[in-house]
Amino acid sequence: EAGVAQSPRYKIIEKRQSVAFWCNPISGHATLYWYQQILGQGPKLLIQFQNNGVVDDSQLPKDRFSAERLKGVDSTLKIQPAKLEDSAVYLCASSLVGRGQGLNTEAFFGQGTRLTVV
Amino acid sequence: AQKVTQAQTEISVVEKEDVTLDCVYETRDTTYYLFWYKQPPSGELVFLIRRNSFDEQNEISGRYSWNFQKSTSSFNFTITASQVVDSAVYFCALSASGTYKYIFGTGTRLKVLA
Repeated sequence: EAGVAQSPRYKIIEKRQSVAFWCNPISGHATLYWYQQILGQGPKLLIQFQNNGVVDDSQLPKDRFSAERLKGVDSTLKIQPAKLEDSAVYLCASSLVGRGQGLNTEAFFGQGTRLTVV
Repeated sequence: AQKVTQAQTEISVVEKEDVTLDCVYETRDTTYYLFWYKQPPSGELVFLIRRNSFDEQNEISGRYSWNFQKSTSSFNFTITASQVVDSAVYFCALSASGTYKYIFGTGTRLKVLA
């Protein structure tokens, strides 16, 4: 079974530029997550989708971050314009079930995109 | 509010020593799930175990074992006879039933020295 795919693996941009990350979850997984992991910290949830609807985006800085999940499969996360403090690893994860669908299953993570804003 | 605390920032042990990673959680929910993930240098978070709040049985998987105690809100992870390949950052996470949202601790960096 293929895992969660993310691209690119690394990205370096200047502040005020824009950047986009792509994620392809495990086939059949209803829920998709984007996490931000700043160096030395645990992952922090940015946005959670169930199929193609947003379940939780309470910690997404909506003035500069946006995300979409087309047709309930792939997802893109965009930052525009980027700030120095956005330097982090952006992790995409997926899990089999979502709200109302049953027991919490584990989330499977991709390798992440390491973003450096200079 | 939900919270996960991993007080140990970094632990160093010599190969073949046993090591325990601590995890303390806070939640008002009666049904919840606890997880441990391993993050090797490659960066991917690797799932190790899931435990629900109604199952307090300890679990052993090879050199790994987990001790879940609701009375102290702890879910500790022990590696027996550690190996260099165990070197990684380990995260404990909490998810309330129905939210499917994972709250992570700050992680414990384990260094196993040859």
